[in-house]
Amino acid sequence: GAVVSQHPSWVICKSGTSVKIECRSLDFQATTMFWYRQFPKQSLMLMATSNEGSKATYEQGVEKDKFLINHASLTLSTLTVTSAHPEDSSFYICSARVSGGRYEQYFGPGTRLTVT
Amino acid sequence: KQEVTQIPAALSVPEGENLVLNCSFTDSAIYNLQWFRQDPGKGLTSLLLIQSSQREQTSGRLNASLDKSSGRSTLYIAASQPGDSATYLCAAPNFGNEKLTFGTGTRLTIIP
Repeated sequence: GAVVSQHPSWVICKSGTSVKIECRSLDFQATTMFWYRQFPKQSLMLMATSNEGSKATYEQGVEKDKFLINHASLTLSTLTVTSAHPEDSSFYICSARVSGGRYEQYFGPGTRLTVT
Repeated sequence: KQEVTQIPAALSVPEGENLVLNCSFTDSAIYNLQWFRQDPGKGLTSLLLIQSSQREQTSGRLNASLDKSSGRSTLYIAASQPGDSATYLCAAPNFGNEKLTFGTGTRLTIIP
């Protein structure tokens, strides 16, 4: 149980285009999902907290107009990287917390974004 | 602000040895502490979660302990195998704030 999927697993896009990444909780409902990014050989950095039916809360330094987050249902959150640039190339990982659970987060397999 | 540190940053040991990975945190007001494993280019696999009221958790060859008073957690791996080679991360959320703060990770290599 508690499986989180991400789609796509990897994507290459041209500079200036937008890319959407999906995060789904497959066998549980998640009122809260989290988006992280990870640069090579570094740890995970939280970008934003996504709550179903409300606006996402972004961490300091993360541009909310560039990284659009939509948590439209209890099983789906999306991250859209708008007007992508090469410096946005990174590994993006989402996680989901079980509603009413013990604050344990379950992580997706990640999405490798390369902007050329 | 919570800060989580892991020592050592990298560790290489021969197959079969027992080993200990360390995690320290500055704010002891945590709900729980999680240990994860990450293989290169992959997402995170949850290994163990210790609730704040617990002192340790065991799963197979893995044993994680938690000492809130000293701000430390350890992950003990018994009889290490080459398949244990990965980066190990610890992370803790804070009371009143469910955001996870991740440690810097320990890159473990088991030498056959």
